[in-house]
Amino acid sequence: DIQMTQSPSSLSASVGDRVTITCRASQSISNYLHWYQQRPGKAPKVLIYGASSLQSGVPSRFSGSGSGTDFTLTISSLQPEDFATYYCQQSYSTPTFGQGTRLEIK
Amino acid sequence: QLVESGGGLVQPGGSLRLSCAASGFTFSNYWMSWVRQAPGKGLEWVANIKQDGSEKYYVDSVKGRFTISRDNAKNSLYLQMNSLRADDTAVYYCARRRDHLLLAFDIWGQGTMVIVSS
Repeated sequence: DIQMTQSPSSLSASVGDRVTITCRASQSISNYLHWYQQRPGKAPKVLIYGASSLQSGVPSRFSGSGSGTDFTLTISSLQPEDFATYYCQQSYSTPTFGQGTRLEIK
Repeated sequence: QLVESGGGLVQPGGSLRLSCAASGFTFSNYWMSWVRQAPGKGLEWVANIKQDGSEKYYVDSVKGRFTISRDNAKNSLYLQMNSLRADDTAVYYCARRRDHLLLAFDIWGQGTMVIVSS
């Protein structure tokens, strides 16, 4: 199985900050990498698919980049509703998720 | 949308059948999956099934114990869970896999809780 490793595991930031979360795959996955946001008690929601494509309806402050084994999710200016947990997921082979990054208010 | 049901409290070694009702899209056109999340933990893909049910895949930890199935006439997805263990305790989500989005899961249900405990 392909292992996905996110960093950091948690992150404290303020409204308006720019934040970056990274995800590394244990082998090359091309651009079969997706980012999800999960708010407490809610189902995950896809933000970015194919490493860098913004899902319909998702604010443009979210962006993704990377290819191969190293990927990033960037939120350009944090809004109050962005404080949540973020997961990366690869679909190159049997799906696997990163362990999650909890984004908290500083 | 997707709506799961069938969760609950079950003893170790017991069985449970989860259901997921789909609406608002042509269910038979999509691969479907089950993804679970243990309390306070991350997401784990459990199983998926092809549009016509001819291909099914499972995470190693549930192989031989869980069975995914679907009824396209009823727009429904199922997960039969046998020989349940404490580490199967989780919220179980059904999710639609979108080929157009490089196989991302673009629609999720609200989840149904399964607790395996004596």
